[in-house]
Amino acid sequence: SQTIHQWPATLVQPVGSPLSLECTVEGTSNPNLYWYRQAAGRGLQLLFYSVGIGQISSEVPQNLSASRPQDRQFILSSKKLLLSDSGFYLCACRLGTGAYEQYFGPGTRLTVT
Amino acid sequence: AQSVTQPDIHITVSEGASLELRCNYSYGATPYLFWYVQSPGQGLQLLLKYFSGDTLVQGIKGFEAEFKRSQSSFNLRKPSVHWSDAAEYFCAVAQSRAAGNKLTFGGGTRVLVKP
Repeated sequence: SQTIHQWPATLVQPVGSPLSLECTVEGTSNPNLYWYRQAAGRGLQLLFYSVGIGQISSEVPQNLSASRPQDRQFILSSKKLLLSDSGFYLCACRLGTGAYEQYFGPGTRLTVT
Repeated sequence: AQSVTQPDIHITVSEGASLELRCNYSYGATPYLFWYVQSPGQGLQLLLKYFSGDTLVQGIKGFEAEFKRSQSSFNLRKPSVHWSDAAEYFCAVAQSRAAGNKLTFGGGTRVLVKP
């Protein structure tokens, strides 16, 4: 079965600093990968998804970006963090064709100060 | 466009009592439906899913859900809740025809369990 790792688990960064969150997946090949954000007390917001290496689709325009340098690696980045970027970031994967459910990683808690 | 509504933001239930969480969806085709649970500070865990067939689906942790096409609902139930069921629950529908096979999530229902 698949396992999703996210690093780091928690992060406190000042406004204007860069960001890099990493997601890696084990136990599957060629998954669809997704980045979500949960702001405090709110639901899930899809930020980016990827159907393959180098293929990124953005759902919400913002100062974040995503990259997929390897089949099972998905990275969320920012050049300059805003206070509004604080939240809980979740990576998810969908396994191959015929499956629609997504499996989630443990998340990264980001606090921008 | 598809949407998912969870009418109850918070529900408080006594330990040992039954629980039902409501979910209504709007989707033009046969929906693929899911329930997830999220404990504080953790990721989402898949409780159960419905694709087709029997409209009553069983999931993990003693949960079940019933798909009712006529009511566009997919309500989650548990006969007797445990204190460990205190969490947030999300209903979701798969956008099977959309690029990326994205999920549309409801806003979530937070469940509090009284001793």
